[in-house]
Amino acid sequence: EAQVTQNPRYLITVTGKKLTVTCSQNMNHEYMSWYRQDPGLGLRQIYYSMNVEVTDKGDVPEGYKVSRKEKRNFPLILESPSPNQTSLYFCASSSQGASTGELFFGEGSRLTVL
Amino acid sequence: AQSVTQPDIHITVSEGASLELRCNYSYGATPYLFWYVQSPGQGLQLLLKYFSGDTLVQGIKGFEAEFKRSQSSFNLRKPSVHWSDAAEYFCAVGLYNFNKFYFGSGTKLNVKP
Repeated sequence: EAQVTQNPRYLITVTGKKLTVTCSQNMNHEYMSWYRQDPGLGLRQIYYSMNVEVTDKGDVPEGYKVSRKEKRNFPLILESPSPNQTSLYFCASSSQGASTGELFFGEGSRLTVL
Repeated sequence: AQSVTQPDIHITVSEGASLELRCNYSYGATPYLFWYVQSPGQGLQLLLKYFSGDTLVQGIKGFEAEFKRSQSSFNLRKPSVHWSDAAEYFCAVGLYNFNKFYFGSGTKLNVKP
């Protein structure tokens, strides 16, 4: 089954404790991206990757890092989480080669930073 | 500034009634336009998209949307709403060869029996 898998789905952590949210897709998509969803703000793009070893900032990259060492994986790293990073995070992938623009989303990871 | 506006935060309609969700965007050129739906606890699913050509596009689940360049709008419609349509709907714009996406703040749809 074609899917985007995120882990963990739920996480409560404390300020300053490094964490990684993993994202994996099994559709051989070149493009992957991360979003955060906050009430009243919709989804905002954090980082995106057009292919292996190619990443770029979205609109809200501060406090986040990403890497793309393999095509299927695109982890989101919070080196020193702060309470304002409490949010619902979504990973998405797309086959840009087809220029369809359709994003396939994971089920989301709800992060709480105390 | 680039933006996608969904002016209605919540909408309630009766089952069987028609639906229109509004979306306006502000970009210099005609962007690629999308509508996504998010069911509770789920990720987003594409309903439909507009790239060029016919300004009325059909999507899944009986939804359609009309692009109006003069109004910078891309409103979503459905002639008869079903209880299963209750969800949150997001309008989105894709730019720069689909590398950057901008989402509206969403419209939550409630369906009354």
